[in-house]
Amino acid sequence: SAVISQKPSRDICQRGTSLTIQCQVDSQVTMMFWYRQQPGQSLTLIATANQGSEATYESGFVIDKFPISRPNLTFSTLTVSNMSPEDSSIYLCSVVGINEQFFGPGTRLTVL
Amino acid sequence: KQEVTQIPAALSVPEGENLVLNCSFTDSAIYNLQWFRQDPGKGLTSLLLIQSSQREQTSGRLNASLDKSSGRSTLYIAASQPGDSATYLCAVGRMDSSYKLIFGSGTRLLVRP
Repeated sequence: SAVISQKPSRDICQRGTSLTIQCQVDSQVTMMFWYRQQPGQSLTLIATANQGSEATYESGFVIDKFPISRPNLTFSTLTVSNMSPEDSSIYLCSVVGINEQFFGPGTRLTVL
Repeated sequence: KQEVTQIPAALSVPEGENLVLNCSFTDSAIYNLQWFRQDPGKGLTSLLLIQSSQREQTSGRLNASLDKSSGRSTLYIAASQPGDSATYLCAVGRMDSSYKLIFGSGTRLLVRP
């Protein structure tokens, strides 16, 4: 299994600002995923981040709003830009092991 | 388009009861199916993974079954405990151009002492 850590674990931010969330994995992985879980909802995939290439975004998510970096095989960042209260969610980083997917503890974001 | 549905949305049972959580999916062309547990405000813990060629998986008091032809999976929890209280998420794995998980909306379980 993979051990995934995220920073920060939670944050409260002002409207219009940006927050960068870090994801660190204890082993090298090809594919990393970023999910959003809005209050009371299930998980929605934001994008897939592969090392050495641009992230692939799902319908409804764009790079200008959620820029992603993937500098190496153990690390990725997701930035939530120009935040609004609607961005208040838990953001989760995830990786695929041997046909099994593992999740980080999540970053709980509240936008005022 | 794959859609994943979980029934019931919420369930409250007394401690010691055996229970079944249901998951259904619309497209039987799945790669695998995974059950997760999520505690309030926390990330996801993987419980069981069933490959598309398998019918069931067991771990302790948990048993998950898969019937691809009918588009259904069940998670059976034996002798439930208050510590089992959490939200249980079913996710279907697909392999198109890349691997992707599609989540159900979850079943919120409360086990009463």
